[in-house]
Amino acid sequence: GAVVSQHPSWVICKSGTSVKIECRSLDFQATTMFWYRQFPKQSLMLMATSNEGSKATYEQGVEKDKFLINHASLTLSTLTVTSAHPEDSSFYICSEGLETQYFGPGTRLLVL
Amino acid sequence: QKEVEQDPGPLSVPEGAIVSLNCTYSNSAFQYFMWYRQYSRKGPELLMYTYSSGNKEDGRFTAQVDKSSKYISLFIRDSQPSDSATYLCAMSLNYGGSQGNLIFGKGTKLSVKP
Repeated sequence: GAVVSQHPSWVICKSGTSVKIECRSLDFQATTMFWYRQFPKQSLMLMATSNEGSKATYEQGVEKDKFLINHASLTLSTLTVTSAHPEDSSFYICSEGLETQYFGPGTRLLVL
Repeated sequence: QKEVEQDPGPLSVPEGAIVSLNCTYSNSAFQYFMWYRQYSRKGPELLMYTYSSGNKEDGRFTAQVDKSSKYISLFIRDSQPSDSATYLCAMSLNYGGSQGNLIFGKGTKLSVKP
């Protein structure tokens, strides 16, 4: 299966600041990658689909101006949480694949 | 009715037991079925991937899909403490990898006691 890395693995920031999370495909050129959010004891919720060279597609209820996604190359997608607030504290996970999805290790965000 | 139902547990078993994890679903059009294992504070790891009905075995793990009953199962034989994790079922209408349309269950938390 595909190998996906994420950086950082965890981040703590102050309310109002922006945080960038990187997702890298290590062995696969991914034209499409996905960003999920997972709250404690909940399942994964798809936030958006990251498309290489074009705009991301956001799921209903996800603010595209708050969660900026950039997919500038076939191996890198970034998610920037802008003006983060405590309610944005969550576990953010990216994935990619063809017949199914392979997930990165996740990034834990804590907004104080 | 939710698209995918999965008993959240927790499920506690002794080491060596056979574990049965299950999901039911409502959309008969689902064709691809997956089981992921998620350790605490980690991303989900793909365990099993099945297309349509039938069984698939990989080591101690067996996945079963019964499309007529809209029911999928994951069996773990000779369970080990290292199997303690949350198990998520997922399914999709078509190629879930490139199209992002995986529908997840809520996950079952499994604890295997030594």
